[in-house]
Amino acid sequence: QQQVKQSPQSLIVQKGGIPIINCAYENTAFDYFPWYQQFPGKGPALLIAIRPDVSEKKEGRFTISFNKSAKQFSLHIMDSQPGDSATYFCAASMNNAGNMLTFGGGTRLMVKP
Amino acid sequence: DAGITQSPRHKVTETGTPVTLRCHQTENHRYMYWYRQDPGHGLRLIHYSYGVKDTDKGEVSDGYSVSRSKTEDFLLTLESATSSQTSVYFCAISGTRVSGANVLTFGAGSRLTVL
Repeated sequence: QQQVKQSPQSLIVQKGGIPIINCAYENTAFDYFPWYQQFPGKGPALLIAIRPDVSEKKEGRFTISFNKSAKQFSLHIMDSQPGDSATYFCAASMNNAGNMLTFGGGTRLMVKP
Repeated sequence: DAGITQSPRHKVTETGTPVTLRCHQTENHRYMYWYRQDPGHGLRLIHYSYGVKDTDKGEVSDGYSVSRSKTEDFLLTLESATSSQTSVYFCAISGTRVSGANVLTFGAGSRLTVL
């Protein structure tokens, strides 16, 4: 049972473009939605995160948009660069004993020069 | 991946053999996790620990066991490896949830191939 669905699986954009990665969740108990970035041969690392009491959060060129009623959230990368080429994972968690994150399936992004 | 070390980083083994992966942290974090990463499936939780000797199952726990005898070490054991367990395994750590934020720090991963 996949509680967090992520799309697309892969994405190719030109340098300067704005790739958008979408995620949808089912469990309304989720209250924390991070995005992780993973480069080849490395572990995922936290990129940006949002809580459901806000609709948008920006950190540098990265923006999360959150739609609580639709149970969807998305990552936008402004002015994308070749160095942004990586795999991106959305995730969700709730305040429970395990502090666990449930991840989406991942999106492999390639930014062409 | 400061503060968290996985070993071995690469291992090739044969079907039916036991395998143990080790995760060592120096952050004194309470929570530790084992995830596996497979194409199209993202990261799926195998087992997690919320303290010494306190562990619980995740989404894909069948065929795996874990142990945590010390705060700093979390072991993942495949009692009898199968080809379906060929994967990249990631350990992660997390401190107490603060202001709603549950930040996981991941290790560099252990690539396991079961022939």
